[in-house]
Amino acid sequence: EPEVTQTPSHQVTQMGQEVILRCVPISNHLYFYWYRQILGQKVEFLVSFYNNEISEKSEIFDDQFSVERPDGSNFTLKIRSTKLEDSAMYFCASRTLGFSGNTIYFGEGSWLTVV
Amino acid sequence: ILNVEQSPQSLHVQEGDSTNFTCSFPSSNFYALHWYRWETAKSPEALFVMTLNGDEKKKGRISATLNTKEGYSYLYIKGSQPEDSATYLCALDNTGTASKLTFGTGTRLQVTL
Repeated sequence: EPEVTQTPSHQVTQMGQEVILRCVPISNHLYFYWYRQILGQKVEFLVSFYNNEISEKSEIFDDQFSVERPDGSNFTLKIRSTKLEDSAMYFCASRTLGFSGNTIYFGEGSWLTVV
Repeated sequence: ILNVEQSPQSLHVQEGDSTNFTCSFPSSNFYALHWYRWETAKSPEALFVMTLNGDEKKKGRISATLNTKEGYSYLYIKGSQPEDSATYLCALDNTGTASKLTFGTGTRLQVTL
């Protein structure tokens, strides 16, 4: 069964460093998302991406964050200068169509630890 | 702030028991409710997407119901097995824009022999 894949599974980085998290969404999907879960908290929405542009972003997704779909298969999340509070599990997700009854498929997550 | 609540937070049952848990959400601007099953170190597995009031969906021993007027959904597991041990997440789509889901805190289920 097709799946969303994410790399790395775990990354430790120093505060202030740039991090890129990578995702390969399911191949015929058109809508892409990043969510994150800080330990002990709810899964929260970061950004949605469609037709090569951001369609919606949350308050968390400030200028330190950016997303890109550089080659038609990968979907990346970049954090320019990481802070301690960016430590979280980051989930990539995708779906085929943009209507509410459509399933959103999630990857296994990338666990980011900022020290 | 949109509040999606799940109860109980955790649940411990014996193999063979049937169990259920609740997802509560604001009933206004409802578009869809998603249920996921999430085992540690795996991707959240999509169980159901529910859109219509009164919807009932079933997948094997797991089923779900939806009441959009009063703002709740129940997830039922019949004859729990150890492999059902996981965190069950519900997530609300209240924008209809194919953008964000708002998640609950999850119900952590442990099934023992």
